[in-house]
This record gives sequence, structure tokens and C-alpha cells, in this order.
Amino acid sequence: QVQLVESGGGLVKPGGSLRLSCAASGFTFSDYYMSWIRQAPGKGLQWVSFISSSGSTIYNADSLKGRFTISRDNAKNSLYLEMDSLRAEDTAVYYCARLKVGYGVGHWGQGTLVTVSS
Amino acid sequence: SYVLTQPPSVSVAPGQTARITCGGNNIGSKSVHWYQQRPGQAPVLVVHDDSDRPAGIPERFSGSISGNMATLTISRVEAGDEADYYCQVWDRLSDQMLFGGGTKLTVL
Repeated sequence: QVQLVESGGGLVKPGGSLRLSCAASGFTFSDYYMSWIRQAPGKGLQWVSFISSSGSTIYNADSLKGRFTISRDNAKNSLYLEMDSLRAEDTAVYYCARLKVGYGVGHWGQGTLVTVSS
Repeated sequence: SYVLTQPPSVSVAPGQTARITCGGNNIGSKSVHWYQQRPGQAPVLVVHDDSDRPAGIPERFSGSISGNMATLTISRVEAGDEADYYCQVWDRLSDQMLFGGGTKLTVL
């Protein structure tokens, strides 16, 4: 069955960097668009970034101002999110998401918690 | 930028019908997706592309669109349906994925 397993979350100081990974299994990873979506504690869902199946097309949330970079390695069935210049407001659970044809999220990982605090 | 508006909360008695709305300008021109999120869990897709149900989602869950409003309807509500519900679209004009603010469904 489809599995998405995030890793790399943790505690980081403001201004620091972190790299999240998502290991995909149970499907042909290279066939699917992927995204990162986050949820701050007690808040709603917020889309972060999108990457096409080949990695040639990337879209990011305007609010992030280029601080985050999505990438993928289809040979390793893995999705990544490089996060720089982290701020307290980036504290959230970050979900790896497999998209359907209509850009809905068909499958979600269990999430990894990123805490930005001094 | 495009905005999706949901009521913060909806309450319904068991066995009744819950309707959760999602308003957006010309929302009928977009594909609307709905998610259920129980406390401490990842979201689950319950309706995609306006009105289609993924495998394993009960027929009690249905979606519709009329005018500038999308609606998630849950028939014969059960205690286990108590959760947060989010609508979502992809805005092709800005190439952004957008979520509504979420609606907390309380089963009385």
C-alpha cells in the first residue's frame, strides 16, 4: 500500500536551516506530483510547495518568500524540503503529500514536527 | 489572491445531516477537494473533484457545487464523524494550492 514517511524534523534555532525527507513506497514515485503541506499547532492546513513528477516544475507558496526549496530524487523514491532562515512562525507539522490528477491530495504522510525556538 | 471561506463550526445531532460550506469566487470553475482530520491524525481525503468519493469513503459523504459555494454533505451523522473538515482547490491563475480555514464538526 502507499506509504509516505517523513523524517528530519526537530528543534532548530531562529535563522537556522533544516532538511526534511519523505520516503515513498508502495507506488511508482516518478509518476506522481508531490507537495509539502504544513499545519501550525492548533491552526489550519497551509500549502508549502509543489513539484512535478520529473522535478522540472516547482511552485512555492508566495508567503514563504523563497526560503524553502523542494526537490526530489526519483531513483531513491524520495522527496525533500530544504528550509532556510527559519522563523518561529515556521513551527508546524510538515506533511508529505501525493497529489491526484485534479491536484487534490490522495495520500498524506503522518507528518514531522519542526519547532523553531531559541 | 483567491480565498476560500468556511464557517468555523457546525453542530449536528447524530443521525441528522451536516452541511459544511466553502465559499469562493467562481468556485465552480475549479476542482474542489474535501478532507477530514481527526485530532492528532493526518488529514484524509473524503471527496475529490467536487463530488467523487475515494475508495473506502462511505456513501454518506457527498460533495456539490452551486454558484460560488461548494458543500460537503454528511448524511446520517455518526459520533465518529466529529472532526475538522477542510476544502481545497488549486488556483491555476497563481499556481497555488489553497485551503479553506477549516470547519469543526461537533456531533451533539
